[in-house]
Amino acid sequence: QVHLQESGPGLVKPSETLSLNCSVSGGSASSASFYYNWIRQSPGKGLEWIGHIYSSGSSTYNPSLRSRVSISIDTSKKYFSLKMTSVTTADTAVYFCARKGGSRGEPLDYWGQGLLVTVSS
Amino acid sequence: SYELIQPPSVSVSPGQTARITCSGDALPRQYVSWFQQKSGQAPLLMIYKDNERPSGIPERFSGSSSGTTVTLTISGVQTEDEADYYCQSVDRTNSYRVFGGGTKLTVL
Repeated sequence: QVHLQESGPGLVKPSETLSLNCSVSGGSASSASFYYNWIRQSPGKGLEWIGHIYSSGSSTYNPSLRSRVSISIDTSKKYFSLKMTSVTTADTAVYFCARKGGSRGEPLDYWGQGLLVTVSS
Repeated sequence: SYELIQPPSVSVSPGQTARITCSGDALPRQYVSWFQQKSGQAPLLMIYKDNERPSGIPERFSGSSSGTTVTLTISGVQTEDEADYYCQSVDRTNSYRVFGGGTKLTVL
């Protein structure tokens, strides 16, 4: 059974960099062909896709966040990471990591439980 | 930017049929997934590839597609089905994943 788990600081100061990790167990983050995604949900709002990284290391980002976001993958330690620079209070959200199969139409089938990140001084 | 449009809310009585729509001009060419999210929980995949149901999801959940609109149908709604439902697809260029704004299903 695949399990994803987010980790990182729950509080980040405005203008600083948010850094989160997502550990993948029950399957390596580097194995097979999967897309590893970050998604967030601001309090009381809907889901927003942040971006994904393919098992090969290529990444794609939401155009609205592209200038501040990067996603990387650590093939030896079975996790992938999110960095978001110059955060503001608008970046306060629950951050989810999720996995998607590599073929067309395959869904976001496994999700982490989510991690609340608050941006505040 | 590309958008998927969902009604903000749908209300039904227990045992009735709930239908939640999701509209987008790329949907004739792109698959849609549906997620259920209860308060404080991660989204749960209910339907993928427009009408496929993952193992463990009750048969009362089904999906259909017609042109630029896809529909999640819940037959014989139960009180436990009260939740937010999100559709998800990709944009016209098949590059970016997109979520609908979400529909709050209330079981009266």
